[in-house]
Amino acid sequence: QKEVEQDPGPLSVPEGAIVSLNCTYSNSAFQYFMWYRQYSRKGPELLMYTYSSGNKEDGRFTAQVDKSSKYISLFIRDSQPSDSATYLCAMSYYNNNDMRFGAGTRLTVKP
Amino acid sequence: GAGVSQSPRYKVAKRGQDVALRCDPISGHVSLFWYQQALGQGPEFLTYFQNEAQLDKSGLPSDRFFAERPEGSVSTLKIQRTQQEDSAVYLCASSLVTSGGLQTSGRVRGPHNEQFFGPGTRLTVL
Repeated sequence: QKEVEQDPGPLSVPEGAIVSLNCTYSNSAFQYFMWYRQYSRKGPELLMYTYSSGNKEDGRFTAQVDKSSKYISLFIRDSQPSDSATYLCAMSYYNNNDMRFGAGTRLTVKP
Repeated sequence: GAGVSQSPRYKVAKRGQDVALRCDPISGHVSLFWYQQALGQGPEFLTYFQNEAQLDKSGLPSDRFFAERPEGSVSTLKIQRTQQEDSAVYLCASSLVTSGGLQTSGRVRGPHNEQFFGPGTRLTVL
């Protein structure tokens, strides 16, 4: 079993929809939780990060962490075609030099 | 300013050939990471440098893989006697600082040791 599990999709939604992306993990030692966005033929870029449990919001994006369930989520409100990309969850034990990535979920937002 | 750059962007090699992949990190960044991303998968850690010191090479899949960063800036990942299973995108990332816990702020532009990724080199071994 992988340390970080993520449904690869693909996921296709109409413009304006609310998107929910999720990851589960097995190691309770993870403390930092990140979401990266990766456009085709580009490197990942950091979108959101959260320490421990709780919610963090930034514009149309909300990240949630539930450590008791070992489950993290990323919500995208009012999705746009420009949000079409692969979304990778990542987790770290301590200092971000030890990140473990999920497989990524490929999202398409149709106009 | 310039981000992380990698060259070549695409490389096709015949099985058994040696390849060298280059990474130019963001100027002044202390830490440098190499990842391997297979098709449809997330990045898998290969190795990590702090300046010129290779502090962790636990992710290198075999002794055919070798990385160096002799002057603490540019890094090269070398793969000897390439095999078909080596086909993947090789990502390089750099970060400004070396250690310490992440900030707990919720800002999108996050931790002070955030890793910034290059566009990757797509290696295809025939």
